[in-house]
Amino acid sequence: GAGVSQTPSNKVTEKGKYVELRCDPISGHTALYWYRQSLGQGPEFLIYFQGTGAADDSGLPNDRFFAVRPEGSVSTLKIQRTERGDSAVYLCASSLGGTGGYSPLHFGNGTRLTVT
Amino acid sequence: ILNVEQSPQSLHVQEGDSTNFTCSFPSSNFYALHWYRWETAKSPEALFVMTLNGDEKKKGRISATLNTKEGYSYLYIKGSQPEDSATYLCAFWLYSGGGADGLTFGKGTHLIIQP
Repeated sequence: GAGVSQTPSNKVTEKGKYVELRCDPISGHTALYWYRQSLGQGPEFLIYFQGTGAADDSGLPNDRFFAVRPEGSVSTLKIQRTERGDSAVYLCASSLGGTGGYSPLHFGNGTRLTVT
Repeated sequence: ILNVEQSPQSLHVQEGDSTNFTCSFPSSNFYALHWYRWETAKSPEALFVMTLNGDEKKKGRISATLNTKEGYSYLYIKGSQPEDSATYLCAFWLYSGGGADGLTFGKGTHLIIQP
């Protein structure tokens, strides 16, 4: 079956521009996660959805970052007024969810964002 | 802030040798511990989800143990092969109140198998 799909795979944008990153999870997975990975670091938690609602958005670095999952399936991570420090690989993952923790995460291939 | 520490940061191992590395995490409010393998140009792949103190999991030549009381997990690779070269990530799931708050990842151990 299809895995987690992320688009675009690469995005180059100018400082100050707005970008949207899309994640299409595995069908039936209720939990969806966004992580960001910078060079030399492990994945950094951004936000976690259970269904349509954000169960935990404590990892969003500031109010330029926003994510939605309006129908409990596809999610979009939105970054306003991009800065060079936003350059990273943005990973999306989904899992069966429920009480969480017990289900492994299935990751997409990531979107490599470069802000020039 | 949760600290999930992995050591060593990188490791070079001769093909055929066995190796192991460590993940340390807070020992309170434990919920689950995950191990992932992340090969270059691919997405992270789940190896194990461990939930009980004393858990031991095995997948082929790779195995893992869990000690929740002291807050560590070991990942072992027996008879390393070139295809084992990857970054191995551990992630800790904290339990709080009515639910779980998501996975916190360590920085990973970058394993290179030398022929």
